[in-house]
Amino acid sequence: DTGVSQDPRHKITKRGQNVTFRCDPISEHNRLYWYRQTLGQGPEFLTYFQNEAQLEKSRLLSDRFSAERPKGSFSTLEIQRTEQGDSAMYLCASSSDRGEQYFGPGTRLTVT
Amino acid sequence: AQKVTQAQTEISVVEKEDVTLDCVYETRDTTYYLFWYKQPPSGELVFLIRRNSFDEQNEISGRYSWNFQKSTSSFNFTITASQVVDSAVYFCALSEAEIYNQGGKLIFGQGTELSVKP
Repeated sequence: DTGVSQDPRHKITKRGQNVTFRCDPISEHNRLYWYRQTLGQGPEFLTYFQNEAQLEKSRLLSDRFSAERPKGSFSTLEIQRTEQGDSAMYLCASSSDRGEQYFGPGTRLTVT
Repeated sequence: AQKVTQAQTEISVVEKEDVTLDCVYETRDTTYYLFWYKQPPSGELVFLIRRNSFDEQNEISGRYSWNFQKSTSSFNFTITASQVVDSAVYFCALSEAEIYNQGGKLIFGQGTELSVKP
């Protein structure tokens, strides 16, 4: 399977804990995106990497959120001191330059 | 500001009916891209189509067709002879053009949940 993969698929955590998600893009894609989707809504953009450079961050991305793509391949999204409002589906997508974005299956986060 | 509106929250049809999903967008860019994605119950977003703002030709792919009208800022999606497997949430999205490393993030509408009953 050469699609976008995400790990874990589900995460349940207690409020105040830190969580980290991983995304592996399609291997030849140099662009990687993170989105967040809450129930009944469309995905909302969080941040974007071109190779290892983080080029854009949404205002939705508070200082508790950090994303990295250290070698321009996989990416991690960390949420520190989780809050109940962080409960959502976190989606990763990748694309080539000027190509369409292909999405992974998402990581569903539940903060209790 | 960029915005995508899908006014139809839910649509229910009987199998073999035709159904049109509406999408209206707002942007100040003269160059942009429009997309449709399908999100079945499994949750993974599936890419269906991308159109750029200079190409207003309608497109047909099997039972799917898309009507892009710049004059009304609309990019509507029609499924002909719907099937139960078409049941999903469908999202319309807008992306700005590539300018100085801007990455073409997607602005999504709220989605239309399509239910096709046998």
